[in-house]
Amino acid sequence: AQSVTQPDIHITVSEGASLELRCNYSYGATPYLFWYVQSPGQGLQLLLKYFSGDTLVQGIKGFEAEFKRSQSSFNLRKPSVHWSDAAEYFCAVAEKSNYQLIWGAGTKLIIKP
Amino acid sequence: DVKVTQSSRYLVKRTGEKVFLECVQDMDHENMFWYRQDPGLGLRLIYFSYDVKMKEKGDIPEGYSVSREKKERFSLILESASTNQTSMYLCASSSPLAEPYNEQFFGPGTRLTVL
Repeated sequence: AQSVTQPDIHITVSEGASLELRCNYSYGATPYLFWYVQSPGQGLQLLLKYFSGDTLVQGIKGFEAEFKRSQSSFNLRKPSVHWSDAAEYFCAVAEKSNYQLIWGAGTKLIIKP
Repeated sequence: DVKVTQSSRYLVKRTGEKVFLECVQDMDHENMFWYRQDPGLGLRLIYFSYDVKMKEKGDIPEGYSVSREKKERFSLILESASTNQTSMYLCASSSPLAEPYNEQFFGPGTRLTVL
């Protein structure tokens, strides 16, 4: 069965520091991959997605993610975080023909001033 | 822009009440989803619908039902609310007509408290 692992429940980063959030998936073929962000009390907003082409994808708010097939990973990165990036981040995976997304448990990002 | 709206941001109900959560999307999407979100558990799929009057059970359908009479509207029903249904409920929609077919668009969520 497909699964998604976000190994870090919480991550604390100083403002201005770089960020990497990890996402690993278990799936045979090349999946469709997504990162969503949820600000406190809000719904989920799509940050970026990968479904074909260049394995380094750019998203909104200065985020990027790289699909590494050999490592079954799709890690999210940002070179310099801002206090407004404090939120919960979810990785999701799907196979092309399936409407459903398989979700990671989320990583809560805390920004230190 | 895709817009998904949910009828209430916050809702407080009593145990045993029948509760309706409404979701409306304005982008003519075929697929609609209801999730509940609890701390440490991520998003869990309750039900989804891929067409009007069609529904499929998700991972945790017990205690819930759904209704989709019109393409733009997907309702989640708690027949007899219980305290363990206190949660954040998220509605989403997607279209199978444009790649990636499974990108989902979310509403703002309804935080339901059952007393």
